[in-house]
Amino acid sequence: AQRVTQPEKLLSVFKGAPVELKCNYSYSGSPELFWYVQYSRQRLQLLLRHISRESIKGFTADLNKGETSFHLKKPFAQEEDSAMYYCALSGLDSGGSNYKLTFGKGTLLTVNP
Amino acid sequence: KAGVTQTPRYLIKTRGQQVTLSCSPISGHRSVSWYQQTPGQGLQFLFEYFSETQRNKGNFPGRFSGRQFSNSRSEMNVSTLELGDSALYLCASSQQGNTEAFFGQGTRLTVV
Repeated sequence: AQRVTQPEKLLSVFKGAPVELKCNYSYSGSPELFWYVQYSRQRLQLLLRHISRESIKGFTADLNKGETSFHLKKPFAQEEDSAMYYCALSGLDSGGSNYKLTFGKGTLLTVNP
Repeated sequence: KAGVTQTPRYLIKTRGQQVTLSCSPISGHRSVSWYQQTPGQGLQFLFEYFSETQRNKGNFPGRFSGRQFSNSRSEMNVSTLELGDSALYLCASSQQGNTEAFFGQGTRLTVV
């Protein structure tokens, strides 16, 4: 079974401070991992995926297979980064024939001025 | 390209009633998934449909059901509504189910 854990429901930082949103996963194969973001009154949208290895809005995330983690980081948080962040994993389901996208419960990030 | 469209945006229902929510995916997307979003539980997976077949199902009671039509549009039905069913219901579409998911704006269901 695949599982995604985001240990922090709430995270509060000050503007300009570094931020790290934690994500750990459980999956026996090679997963594809994503971070999704939901800004206030906007729809949930993809922020970044690990295979593209790019930085979006200053955010990066590195897949660490040894620690089964995919933490989201930004060196200098901005007020507009305040949002709900969801980590997600795509992998084969228990039957081994269909892919399934599993989300963590989310972390609400608040960046204070 | 039009995004994922969910209707209606808001619903108020009474306990015991049933409700049907609709989702129109992005053109060409064959996978449609439904999620329940609440402040306490976050994003919980309901089910996924691909080419009119339910491929995956979450841990929700049988009161929650869905279907997908040949044009990939999907509906979700909740029967015998309970107060705890009050939530934002999100629909997401993707090409294959394991690629990037595109979300609709959701239907806000309030059960009174």
